[in-house]
Amino acid sequence: DTGVSQNPRHKITKRGQNVTFRCDPISEHNRLYWYRQTLGQGPEFLTYFQNEAQLEKSRLLSDRFSAERPKGSFSTLEIQRTEQGDSAMYLCASSQALAGAEQYFGPGTRLTVT
Amino acid sequence: AQKITQTQPGMFVQEKEAVTLDCTYDTSDQSYGLFWYKQPSSGEMIFLIYQGSYDEQNATEGRYSLNFQKARKSANLVISASQLGDSAMYFCAMREGGWTGNQFYFGTGTSLTVIP
Repeated sequence: DTGVSQNPRHKITKRGQNVTFRCDPISEHNRLYWYRQTLGQGPEFLTYFQNEAQLEKSRLLSDRFSAERPKGSFSTLEIQRTEQGDSAMYLCASSQALAGAEQYFGPGTRLTVT
Repeated sequence: AQKITQTQPGMFVQEKEAVTLDCTYDTSDQSYGLFWYKQPSSGEMIFLIYQGSYDEQNATEGRYSLNFQKARKSANLVISASQLGDSAMYFCAMREGGWTGNQFYFGTGTSLTVIP
């Protein structure tokens, strides 16, 4: 297994455009998380899936953000009508469903909104 | 209130010396987990160590140990025999909610620089 992968690694978009990011977790992990990280800050939780069910969403996740994990494997995060404040690193992580299970993070997608 | 507080924005340590990175947390849950992650300049988050709230012994993983003081709600990371490759951002994180807990909170991080 090659770990968690994310695509694209970098995305530059103009304000108002829609963007979609993909995350492929470690195959045997049934939990998948999305985070946003801005410069000088720790990751901020956005949303979480157990298998295909989206179980929790942060208040940070406005209605312009939507995430899916249709078959319990890969996940997509879409941002509609992007704003400059959306510029950040978007991190995906996966883990097993165990109390002490650590999250394995992907390399992230860096979004720049111009 | 912040769930995770890391009060040291930057730390310096001499190579081969030990260093302690501070972390305090805030939760009313009885069951929770505490994690430390390393984020090098390449950006990828690397898991270092885990401590469960019911674990009586401090966790250790190689050169990393977690000094868990439950009553003080602190979970400091101790890195022994620092190496140049330890220079990175270090994040403390907490998972609340017991076995089904799925909300993770991260601190703002501590930047560690190892001096040769």
